[in-house]
Amino acid sequence: GDSVTQMEGPVTLSEEAFLTINCTYTATGYPSLFWYVQYPGEGLQLLLKATKADDKGSNKGFEATYRKETTSFHLEKGSVQVSDSAVYFCALSFNQGGKLIFGQGTELSVKP
Amino acid sequence: GAVVSQHPSWVICKSGTSVKIECRSLDFQATTMFWYRQFPKQSLMLMATSNEGSKATYEQGVEKDKFLINHASLTLSTLTVTSAHPEDSSFYICSASHGQGTYEQYFGPGTRLTVT
Repeated sequence: GDSVTQMEGPVTLSEEAFLTINCTYTATGYPSLFWYVQYPGEGLQLLLKATKADDKGSNKGFEATYRKETTSFHLEKGSVQVSDSAVYFCALSFNQGGKLIFGQGTELSVKP
Repeated sequence: GAVVSQHPSWVICKSGTSVKIECRSLDFQATTMFWYRQFPKQSLMLMATSNEGSKATYEQGVEKDKFLINHASLTLSTLTVTSAHPEDSSFYICSASHGQGTYEQYFGPGTRLTVT
């Protein structure tokens, strides 16, 4: 079935370090791909999305490119801040406003 | 905009009792609401999808008689855990979508349920 796999955490980085969180997916069709972020004590928030191959989603310095050939949607940020400490979830969906399939989440901790 | 609230934020109940969790879209009309369950250090698992005025669609393996979902209005959905047991202890999260040509779901902050 359809699924999403993320790199295991926790990931611990120093402030201003480069971040990559790997995400790969298995899907029977061509889904839309998402990154959600969950800050401590808060609900999930959409960070960025891409709806077709080669699309790049970007927001708040984070980027991810939809790679159909490698079925991947890796999250990157050039310089992380302490405030980026959170859990990051990769997800896919086939329908507008429809069911989301999540990866297991990757906890990021950024130290000053 | 697009705020979703959940109530209560945490609840402790005794084994065998029932508990109701509310999910409200505060500033938009949610044609579709979703209920997820999240175990510690694990992903969100979709339990069911509900459309206003319709019966919920449950995911495989989710007991519909145990997890009762009602989506009576465009701003309110409820999840009732009936005859709760310790294994039902978890973090329950709802999300809502207005479904108007958008992929985005707006998530509530979650409800921590502990069954003793």
